[in-house]
Amino acid sequence: EDKVVQSPLSLVVHEGDTVTLNCSYEVTNFRSLLWYKQEKKAPTFLFMLTSSGIEKKSGRLSSILDKKELFSILNITATQTGDSAVYLCAVGSNYQLIWGAGTKLIIKP
Amino acid sequence: DSGVTQTPKHLITATGQRVTLRCSPRSGDLSVYWYQQSLDQGLQFLIQYYNGEERAKGNILERFSAQQFPDLHSELNLSSLELGDSALYFCASSVTLAGYNEQFFGPGTRLTVL
Repeated sequence: EDKVVQSPLSLVVHEGDTVTLNCSYEVTNFRSLLWYKQEKKAPTFLFMLTSSGIEKKSGRLSSILDKKELFSILNITATQTGDSAVYLCAVGSNYQLIWGAGTKLIIKP
Repeated sequence: DSGVTQTPKHLITATGQRVTLRCSPRSGDLSVYWYQQSLDQGLQFLIQYYNGEERAKGNILERFSAQQFPDLHSELNLSSLELGDSALYFCASSVTLAGYNEQFFGPGTRLTVL
């Protein structure tokens, strides 16, 4: 059965810290891996990764995929209180996305 | 704002009832996806429509059904509601048929079944 596992489930850090969120997967017919940020309501898209070893970067956020070891990481540097959210990882397989349970990140001022 | 709209925002109803949730995708998007997110749970894929046709099914109960209309808006019908159906229901849309690409999410409909 396809599965996507995120760790940790929850993380509390202080503003300014750097965090690394993990996403591992076992999915047949891997097509893509996507990261989303979910605050109060709808998930918003962050990155889509399809190739191993190529870092995607947007401001203080970056992500990389390892298709051999079947995982991805999402890094956030110099965290701010506005980064507090649930970060969701989803793996694309055939016609659908398979979602992890998310990592709840809390940034304390 | 993703460009995906959902109505209503909130819905409170009783067990045994039937409700309809509505979604309008982004302009130009042909695929619509429905998701359920229960409290502290991940997103559960329910069903995908592409240009009016059902394309993929996930963990959708038989009491639930959906359709996509010629103007591409979609409706999710939930019947014989149970307490456990209380959740956030999201609609997402994308340009392509392939569900493994970026999807844009609507604001969700919060359903409470009493």
